[in-house]
Amino acid sequence: DAKTTQPPSMDCAEGRAANLPCNHSTISGNEYVYWYRQIHSQGPQYIIHGLKNNETNEMASLIITEDRKSSTLILPHATLRDTAVYYCIVRLPRSLNAGNMLTFGGGTRLMVKP
Amino acid sequence: DADVTQTPRNRITKTGKRIMLECSQTKGHDRMYWYRQDPGLGLRLIYYSFDVKDINKGEISDGYSVSRQAQAKFSLSLESAIPNQTALYFCATRGRLGQPQHFGDGTRLSIL
Repeated sequence: DAKTTQPPSMDCAEGRAANLPCNHSTISGNEYVYWYRQIHSQGPQYIIHGLKNNETNEMASLIITEDRKSSTLILPHATLRDTAVYYCIVRLPRSLNAGNMLTFGGGTRLMVKP
Repeated sequence: DADVTQTPRNRITKTGKRIMLECSQTKGHDRMYWYRQDPGLGLRLIYYSFDVKDINKGEISDGYSVSRQAQAKFSLSLESAIPNQTALYFCATRGRLGQPQHFGDGTRLSIL
């Protein structure tokens, strides 16, 4: 499984777009990029995932570079409730099945400020 | 995620007691998982189940057991609790291969 690197913390003004980067330079061809977040003491919450095309859903957009070595999660209009730790995870689908995807690292602590 | 419900939400108990944490889901998923999370660490997998008859150990299964009573229910037991099992416990479900997991809100367990 590819290792990921994320900045430990970021601030964002309420109402602005939050852009969270993730570096995964050793990603292999079949590995997907997944983003989860965890609000204090709550369960991890799935946000979005992608293979190589950019993806968008009701929560966020995922931009994956053409070489797939990095990606950016975009929260278009951050709110105070988006304050959380955001985790970027790179895994093969079959390893997700075995449940071992969530031995993730430190993530990025996003603080949305009024 | 209200589709995955964990009970109790909080529990304080003593060393040596038997404890059961319960998880139920309304998502219709076959795959269910139990994790623990310790302060400053990521999630570690305790047990997982692909269906009612298929249960597998995760990386830290010692001291724990599970029961998959039905597709919708997956229970975690600590037969004789010890203080280093104090943690936040999460249940998760998954649908098709490659799809993301969906988590409950966790059970905060303290063992004195």
